[in-house]
Amino acid sequence: DADVTQTPRNRITKTGKRIMLECSQTKGHDRMYWYRQDPGLGLRLIYYSFDVKDINKGEISDGYSVSRQAQAKFSLSLESAIPNQTALYFCATSKGGGSDTQYFGPGTRLTVL
Amino acid sequence: GQNIDQPTEMTATEGAIVQINCTYQTSGFNGLFWYQQHAGEAPTFLSYNVLDGLEEKGRFSSFLSRSKGYSYLLLKELQMKDSASYLCAVDRGSTLGRLYFGRGTQLTVWP
Repeated sequence: DADVTQTPRNRITKTGKRIMLECSQTKGHDRMYWYRQDPGLGLRLIYYSFDVKDINKGEISDGYSVSRQAQAKFSLSLESAIPNQTALYFCATSKGGGSDTQYFGPGTRLTVL
Repeated sequence: GQNIDQPTEMTATEGAIVQINCTYQTSGFNGLFWYQQHAGEAPTFLSYNVLDGLEEKGRFSSFLSRSKGYSYLLLKELQMKDSASYLCAVDRGSTLGRLYFGRGTQLTVWP
């Protein structure tokens, strides 16, 4: 079984709809992250959480919110989706400390029409 | 902001050696990562450098010069399956584990 899972894997929605993307991990890591990836722009950090009670904004948090329901779960919400939020979204986890390697989920491809 | 630069595209032939460069200008540095990403898939960890010098791991090696803000990923004995995007990412260190990614280098390996 995969260590980091994301649901759904693909989603098509309409402008103005509320969308939630979910991430779960079985690695026992405290740290979790949400990124989006757009062609030519690379990975950009949306939000990150270093433990259940810690939530931090990343580079591009506007239009997004997150919830850290448990150590293993970190959800990303788009309250009112817009077309420029069409992207590939990745969740990642890390254990903290030096050499803090991040491990990525398989991604969610979101299309907002 | 943070500047992390790497070439957009590279091509090479099977069996060859290729070097992918990454330069960075960041306020703070606590290590540099290289990830491999096949089209439509998750990035996967390749290497981590925090001290100057070369780290070798099988066919892949990564080099770091902190004074020059420079790293490279060296891929030897290229195989078709090495065709992928290679991402350079810097840990600034102000908040350990928060990575800043370059835009990636798309490597195409030809037979």
